[in-house]
Amino acid sequence: GNSVTQMEGPVTLSEEAFLTINCTYTATGYPSLFWYVQYPGEGLQLLLKATKADDKGSNKGFEATYRKETTSFHLEKGSVQVSDSAVYFCALSDTGANSKLTFGKGITLSVRP
Amino acid sequence: GAGVSQSPSNKVTEKGKDVELRCDPISGHTALYWYRQSLGQGLEFLIYFQGNSAPDKSGLPSDRFSAERTGGSVSTLTIQRTQQEDSAVYLCASSSERGNEQFFGPGTRLTVL
Repeated sequence: GNSVTQMEGPVTLSEEAFLTINCTYTATGYPSLFWYVQYPGEGLQLLLKATKADDKGSNKGFEATYRKETTSFHLEKGSVQVSDSAVYFCALSDTGANSKLTFGKGITLSVRP
Repeated sequence: GAGVSQSPSNKVTEKGKDVELRCDPISGHTALYWYRQSLGQGLEFLIYFQGNSAPDKSGLPSDRFSAERTGGSVSTLTIQRTQQEDSAVYLCASSSERGNEQFFGPGTRLTVL
């Protein structure tokens, strides 16, 4: 079955530091890949997505590239802000519309001023 | 427009009682999903509706869990004879017929005493 593995957390960074959060997956076929974010006290929000190999998803300065050869979808940001403090979830869904999401365990990011 | 809404936002119940959790999806979204978020298990898929039918119930943890959707809109997740291990945040999400982006509600935090 499908699975998503995220690096262990939590992660604490200083403002303006570089961020990488690792995510690898196991799936049959060609899944779509997602990063969701959960800010304190708020619901899950889609941060970015990629639907095929070599696609790069980007939003709010975050980027992730769909790497089929390494089955990875690592999240990066060049300069984090305090407002980026949140829980980040990597997820995948099977090819096509309306397929359930399989999530990684999530990682908590704290950014210090 | 309005997002996904869920009610109640918090529910405290005693072991053995039945509970009903409600989800109002985004208007016009044909697909509806229930997930559960708990400390030990992370984010888990429960059930998926397309219209009023549920082609994927594979995530329901036991026969104490059931869900229905009426009029292609509102959905209710029912947990019978609640147990302490049912304590979690129950999340609802919806997506359009053609989209694979799921929009999440704020969740219902269920505490079973």
